[in-house]
Amino acid sequence: QKEVEQDPGPLSVPEGAIVSLNCTYSNSAFQYFMWYRQYSRKGPELLMYTYSSGNKEDGRFTAQVDKSSKYISLFIRDSQPSDSATYLCAMRAAGNKLTFGGGTRVLVKP
Amino acid sequence: EPEVTQTPSHQVTQMGQEVILRCVPISNHLYFYWYRQILGQKVEFLVSFYNNEISEKSEIFDDQFSVERPDGSNFTLKIRSTKLEDSAMYFCASSARQEPNYGYTFGSGTRLTVV
Repeated sequence: QKEVEQDPGPLSVPEGAIVSLNCTYSNSAFQYFMWYRQYSRKGPELLMYTYSSGNKEDGRFTAQVDKSSKYISLFIRDSQPSDSATYLCAMRAAGNKLTFGGGTRVLVKP
Repeated sequence: EPEVTQTPSHQVTQMGQEVILRCVPISNHLYFYWYRQILGQKVEFLVSFYNNEISEKSEIFDDQFSVERPDGSNFTLKIRSTKLEDSAMYFCASSARQEPNYGYTFGSGTRLTVV
């Protein structure tokens, strides 16, 4: 079983829709959970960070972590064409190393 | 907004040659990282660096790879004898602290093509 799994998409939604992204993981040592956005030919950009289980909201973005199910989610409300990108989940245990999912490509159509 | 700067943006090298990828982390950051992304694959951790020494490295980071902070501003990744499979995007990142809520800032990457 892969350590972090993420549906590659592409996920195509109309402008204004809610985008729902998720990752599953197998390593119970992961404690810190992040979502990054990556535009083509650019480096990942941190969107959201959460620690342990629960929800976190920041503007149009909501991140959820369910450690009991080893499942994390990112929701983007009122999606815009500028949200079209690849979204990467990333996780960390106690050390420095981030373990990334493979990314989900999102396309928001005007 | 502060940025991590990587040069060059694209480097083509012949198999067996040495390459040095350069990064200028954000000036007050103390932790430095290299990641790579082979085309179509996941972003993978290579190495982390703090206080002038490697703090963690992956199994990918073998004897062909080395990192250095030669002065107060640059952070370099050297690949001694490049292989075709080293072709990838290499991302440098830095963070102010080790706590994960201090998110890493990534550079735009260097695309390395080994021919």
